[in-house]
Amino acid sequence: GENVEQHPSTLSVQEGDSAVIKCTYSDSASNYFPWYKQELGKGPQLIIDIRSNVGEKKDQRIAVTLNKTAKHFSLHITETQPEDSAVYFCAGTDQGGSEKLVFGKGTKLTVNP
Amino acid sequence: DVKVTQSSRYLVKRTGEKVFLECVQDMDHENMFWYRQDPGLGLRLIYFSYDVKMKEKGDIPEGYSVSREKKERFSLILESASTNQTSMYLCASRGLRQGGEKLLFGSGTQLSVL
Repeated sequence: GENVEQHPSTLSVQEGDSAVIKCTYSDSASNYFPWYKQELGKGPQLIIDIRSNVGEKKDQRIAVTLNKTAKHFSLHITETQPEDSAVYFCAGTDQGGSEKLVFGKGTKLTVNP
Repeated sequence: DVKVTQSSRYLVKRTGEKVFLECVQDMDHENMFWYRQDPGLGLRLIYFSYDVKMKEKGDIPEGYSVSREKKERFSLILESASTNQTSMYLCASRGLRQGGEKLLFGSGTQLSVL
């Protein structure tokens, strides 16, 4: 089955700097890669996703890149703001007949004012 | 506003008790999921259901069971709660017609087993 590794586990940046979170996956058949943001006391919320037929996707200050050959994908947040502080999860799809999501262990991002 | 609602935000139970965690979605989604979230371990899938009365084991089903008698409701059952089941439990749903692979999560139930 799919295995998703996420790095780093914690990340601290200054407001206005960029933040990058990286994930690798094991199943070459995996074709959908979402990113979720979880704020304190809330459930995870989808912020951006990418499919395997696309190399990059951008939505305002966030972007995701995908390298299928290397089997890794990254989340980029530019011009970080304190409200970006949260735990971020990447995920890949388990293609073993169920297409269920397999999540990374999460990255706690802290944006210091 | 579409949402996934988990019946309890915090729950405290005693070892050996039978515990029911309830989840309701109002989006007519076919698929529903139960995850548990532990620090440093991320989100791990316990059980999921593709449709009414259907269920499949996830990665960590031991000690849990589920029930899906109606499309909108998916219940997680701890047959005999143990202290190692103290965790945050997250319910999610997915509508294959409405949003494809996109999972929508509830706010979570923090369960403490004493």
